[in-house]
Amino acid sequence: AQSVSQHNHHVILSEAASLELGCNYSYGGTVNLFWYVQYPGQHLQLLLKYFSGDPLVKGIKGFEAEFIKSKFSFNLRKPSVQWSDTAEYFCAVNADTGFQKLVFGTGTRLLVSP
Amino acid sequence: KAGVTQTPRYLIKTRGQQVTLSCSPISGHRSVSWYQQTPGQGLQFLFEYFSETQRNKGNFPGRFSGRQFSNSRSEMNVSTLELGDSALYLCASSPRDESTDTQYFGPGTRLTVL
Repeated sequence: AQSVSQHNHHVILSEAASLELGCNYSYGGTVNLFWYVQYPGQHLQLLLKYFSGDPLVKGIKGFEAEFIKSKFSFNLRKPSVQWSDTAEYFCAVNADTGFQKLVFGTGTRLLVSP
Repeated sequence: KAGVTQTPRYLIKTRGQQVTLSCSPISGHRSVSWYQQTPGQGLQFLFEYFSETQRNKGNFPGRFSGRQFSNSRSEMNVSTLELGDSALYLCASSPRDESTDTQYFGPGTRLTVL
């Protein structure tokens, strides 16, 4: 069975600090990887995704993530966070089985202080 | 395009009752997935429908069921409600039944069971 681990449950940063959120998954086959964000009071939105090609993917709002197959990791990064990045971030895996079934990590709550 | 819509947004029921939640996908999307979000268990996959067929099912009891109509709209039903069914129920749609496709989430239906 697939599983996703997000080791940082709560992160507090000051504006302009750099961000890296860890995500590791457990699955031996081909996977498609996603980062979703949930801003306060809003629904889940896609930040970025990876399914093939360049392992460094860029998403919206200056976010990027790197897929490292050997480490089963898909860490999210942003060089300089803003107060508006305060949200909950979810890493998710969809095994390449032809079905739609996202397995989510437990989420990381990011608080950016101005 | 309008996003994924879910009705009702809020629902209060008592133990033993049943409930039906509705989801209208983005126009043209044919796959609809349902997820349960709780503070303790996080986001968990319930089931996925494509072309009126259940394609995949998560690890939930048979009290949880769903269906999809020919216009891709979907409903999920929970019978004999338990206190532990209190959660945010999210619907997500995607164009196809492909694991590389992005799932677009609705705002959710918050169910409270008393």
